Order: sequence, then C-alpha cells, then structure tokens
Amino acid sequence: EVQLVESGGGLVQPGRSLRLSCAASGFTFDDYAIHWVRQAPGKGLEWVSGISWISGTTGYADSVKGRFTISGDNAKNSLYLQMNSLRPEDTALYYCAKSTHSGVWYPLDYWGQGTLVIVSS
Amino acid sequence: DIQMTQSPSTLSASVGDRVTITCRASQSISTWLAWYQQKPGKAPILLIYKASSLEGGVPSRFSGSGSGTEFTLTISSLQPDDFATYYCQQYKDYSTFGQGTKVEIK
Repeated sequence: EVQLVESGGGLVQPGRSLRLSCAASGFTFDDYAIHWVRQAPGKGLEWVSGISWISGTTGYADSVKGRFTISGDNAKNSLYLQMNSLRPEDTALYYCAKSTHSGVWYPLDYWGQGTLVIVSS
Repeated sequence: DIQMTQSPSTLSASVGDRVTITCRASQSISTWLAWYQQKPGKAPILLIYKASSLEGGVPSRFSGSGSGTEFTLTISSLQPDDFATYYCQQYKDYSTFGQGTKVEIK
C-alpha cells in the first residue's frame, strides 16, 4: 500500500525557516517523481515544487522560487522541502504527492494527509 | 505561466443530475490535463488524467473531454458521494491547478 506521511509543520515567525519531510513507502521511491502541493485555509490547491529522481529535474512555483528548496534522500525514501524567508502567505497545509511517472510533469495519484504550516508573529 | 480557470465556482445540483464543469487554459496544453476530487478535511483524489482517461477505481459516471484550451469534467448522474470540490490541473508546463468548483446539494 502506497503511503506518504508528512511531518515538520508548525508555527513559525515571518522570515524564519522550516523543513518539511515526507516519508514514502509502498512503492519504488526512485521510480516516481514527487511533489509538494499546498492549500491555504479555505482556499484551493497550489502546486509548490516537484522533483524527478531519474532526470534530476526540479521545478518551483514563482511564489516560492528562490526561497524553497526540494530535495530527497533515496536511501531513506524521504522527500524534503526546505522553506526559508517564510511569509504569512505561506500559511497552508502542505501535501506530499506521488507522480504517476518518473518524469516531473505528470498527474499525482497518491497524496499524504498534509502537514500544517502557520507563519505568524 | 499557464493559468487555469474553472467555471462555475459553485454548482448546486440534485442527486441524479448531469453535471458539467469547465476548465480553460490560458494557452494550449494539448491533453495534459487532470481532474481531482477533494472532500473537506481529505486529500485530493485523481479522477481523470490526459484529459479523458479514467483513473483505476473511479466510477464510470465520471468522464473528461477536451483538448487545447478547453476541457470539461462530466458526472453523468450525480450521486450523494459526489458532493465535493473538483480541481483541474495542467501538467504541460510545470503544474497549475484551477481555483476549484464546489458541487453542493441543491
């Protein structure tokens, strides 16, 4: 059974950093691209970032480019999102989601339950 | 950047109704489009990919069509379990979601 479990969220002050983690199981981690998608309270889905292990391709939404970095540890089947210079508008539930393909730009067929990030003073 | 616009934002319908949601892309995305269903407090579920391909396990009352810049998601006969919010997503150039369409009980 595919499982994605996010962790690392919490309350953080504006301008500070936070690192999210996503532990994956139930599939061959290296064979599929993985993404972060966020959802602000009461709002819609916003794609944040994605990574393909095979090609090394990464992508970022304009809203986070230069502040967020996606990475992973294939030995631990884990995905990370390093979030720097956090802003109140980054407040959201952050989902980890598995792509249907090794390439980055494909649909997302499994999602975790999310980890909540609140950016506030 | 490719923008995705869904209409309507909210749709009121009854069980048994045929429901259609539209998604428009700001430029051609061929058929690189997916549809998701999300219920409150839950993660999204993939329904349709490549504009018209049904994901495994998804009921056949869901269907998708379109290409280029205009796409539709149709629910042929709305069931109680289908009241939810639906999102389209383009994955031709990076990834962008539409703003969502909430299907509520009439």
